Amino acid sequence: GAVVSQHPSWVICKSGTSVKIECRSLDFQATTMFWYRQFPKQSLMLMATSNEGSKATYEQGVEKDKFLINHASLTLSTLTVTSAHPEDSSFYICSERGREGSDEQFFGPGTRLTVL
Amino acid sequence: LAKTTQPISMDSYEGQEVNITCSHNNIATNDYITWYQQFPSQGPRFIIQGYKTKVTNEVASLFIPADRKSSTLSLPRVSLSDTAVYYCLVGPRDDKIIFGKGTRLHILP
Repeated sequence: GAVVSQHPSWVICKSGTSVKIECRSLDFQATTMFWYRQFPKQSLMLMATSNEGSKATYEQGVEKDKFLINHASLTLSTLTVTSAHPEDSSFYICSERGREGSDEQFFGPGTRLTVL
Repeated sequence: LAKTTQPISMDSYEGQEVNITCSHNNIATNDYITWYQQFPSQGPRFIIQGYKTKVTNEVASLFIPADRKSSTLSLPRVSLSDTAVYYCLVGPRDDKIIFGKGTRLHILP
């Protein structure tokens, strides 16, 4: 099956800085990838759908200018948290849809962001 | 997307069979029922998917009654490593996944 990696696995940054998180599909060309955010003891919240070669589609309430998504190739999507603040501290997870007709989405291992 | 309702938490013991039921009264004709498992600080992992009746794989079984308004994930002979959050999801295949609150399963020795 498909394998998804994320980099970094964890990052600590100062308030006001920007952080980029990479999501890679290791053995499948993913035209569509998804970004989620998960706070402690809560469920995953879908932030946006990342489409290769086009603009991302953001869920309601997610600031597109704060969470920049780039999907320039079929194997890489990036999420940049701009001007991060402590309330952006969270677990960020990406996923890929998998091959057409597949039962499942494949999730990355997640990136723990801590903003001081 | 159909809303799902599942127990917030469940406890069981090693070696027992665990059944987690999910309600989805507004399921649509083209919706599938999918279950994911998530361990702390990891991404979710697919367990099983079904449309109707019963589906079984090497990990679990999924029971879906004829009206499809509910489903039951069955985990045979659980072990401590099955302690995790289990999410019931309902929607069209290949659609974006919207997660509900999930069921926090705690397996006791």
